[in-house]
Amino acid sequence: DAMVIQNPRYQVTQFGKPVTLSCSQTLNHNVMYWYQQKSSQAPKLLFHYYDKDFNNEADTPDNFQSRRPNTSFCFLDIRSPGLGDAAMYLCATGRGVTGANVLTFGAGSRLTVL
Amino acid sequence: GQQLNQSPQSMFIQEGEDVSMNCTSSSIFNTWLWYKQDPGEGPVLLIALYKAGELTSNGRLTAQFGITRKDSFLNISASIPSDVGIYFCAGHRSSNTGKLIFGQGTTLQVKP
Repeated sequence: DAMVIQNPRYQVTQFGKPVTLSCSQTLNHNVMYWYQQKSSQAPKLLFHYYDKDFNNEADTPDNFQSRRPNTSFCFLDIRSPGLGDAAMYLCATGRGVTGANVLTFGAGSRLTVL
Repeated sequence: GQQLNQSPQSMFIQEGEDVSMNCTSSSIFNTWLWYKQDPGEGPVLLIALYKAGELTSNGRLTAQFGITRKDSFLNISASIPSDVGIYFCAGHRSSNTGKLIFGQGTTLQVKP
């Protein structure tokens, strides 16, 4: 089945130690999104790629970076995780940026910062 | 900023009861989506709505795109224990270049 796969599902890191989360998709969607979701809150968009074009949200900290080497893969890099970065990170894909753009989400990567 | 007001925030119901939740906005939306999120998992799409007035069902779930394009509701009939989870409404505005705006979520608990 076509899907969005995130790895790892659980990541434990130490304060300040860089982390990379990965996302792959078999849907061949143009757009890939990264969301941060803290407990009992709605997902918060960090940034998205439309093909190779990177779009950062205005309030996304510089600590968060992303790479999309090809259509299928997208990475979230957290350069120096702080305690406040502990959250579920969700990757999603979509066909296009306008109109009826239904997002398909991965299962998420739960980040714990010690 | 753009917001979706989702209510109720939480519900605790008996198995077999019907459930209703809704989302409202001060702005017009072009698409309304309803997602369910189980603990520790990503959101899964339940129903997508594309036209004002559209009423769509998915099994025991029914959702409607409000005529004013500023609201949507989701009904669950005859709830069962596996309906437990967080339900999010989400929407697109045409001026948003495809960004999905989420409601705050409704946490549903079902007592067997």
